[in-house]
Amino acid sequence: DAGITQSPRHKVTETGTPVTLRCHQTENHRYMYWYRQDPGHGLRLIHYSYGVKDTDKGEVSDGYSVSRSKTEDFLLTLESATSSQTSVYFCAISDDSGGNSYNEQFFGPGTRLTVL
Amino acid sequence: DAKTTQPTSMDCAEGRAANLPCNHSTISGNEYVYWYRQIHSQGPQYIIHGLKNNETNEMASLIITEDRKSSTLILPHATLRDTAVYYCIVRARRGTYKYIFGTGTRLKVLA
Repeated sequence: DAGITQSPRHKVTETGTPVTLRCHQTENHRYMYWYRQDPGHGLRLIHYSYGVKDTDKGEVSDGYSVSRSKTEDFLLTLESATSSQTSVYFCAISDDSGGNSYNEQFFGPGTRLTVL
Repeated sequence: DAKTTQPTSMDCAEGRAANLPCNHSTISGNEYVYWYRQIHSQGPQYIIHGLKNNETNEMASLIITEDRKSSTLILPHATLRDTAVYYCIVRARRGTYKYIFGTGTRLKVLA
């Protein structure tokens, strides 16, 4: 399995509180992604990173920010959590280096966030 | 990226082959077909990908029609542990970050 960890794995917080989720990889992959998964919506991309300090928005980025100061870490911050951000958050990585890589994504175990 | 269409759910008897179809009629020439699955609440797991030739690995086989407008993922001898949601995705190999997962096919393997 690809070396991807997420922390925390579970979190309960209150509306208006800032929350930071961490994704850590040991694969030295260039791309990192944050998704959220909600019933009936499948996986939706929040933000992604294509290198250190290089990030861009996905399809549901409002209310979220990200940072990537090192290759191995990608942080997702909810600046002021709302109940609509209650979800399961998945981090993923991929390698776009060509060769034997076909840019398949490898996923972390997920973080279950509840905003009360 | 091309859009895919998959059945919402399927059942398969344990030990039999599970054939999961996917339509991708707007696929472009440089787009690959990728399959992932998600078991219960775990993160999605990569299964297989292909461009135009049939592919096989230790997990599954992928059959892509000659016109590339549809494909079938085959799990040759389904087990209860194959019960999962299966996602078919089409995208270029490089140069794009997008993976549009959709809602997939919920496969239930029956004892």
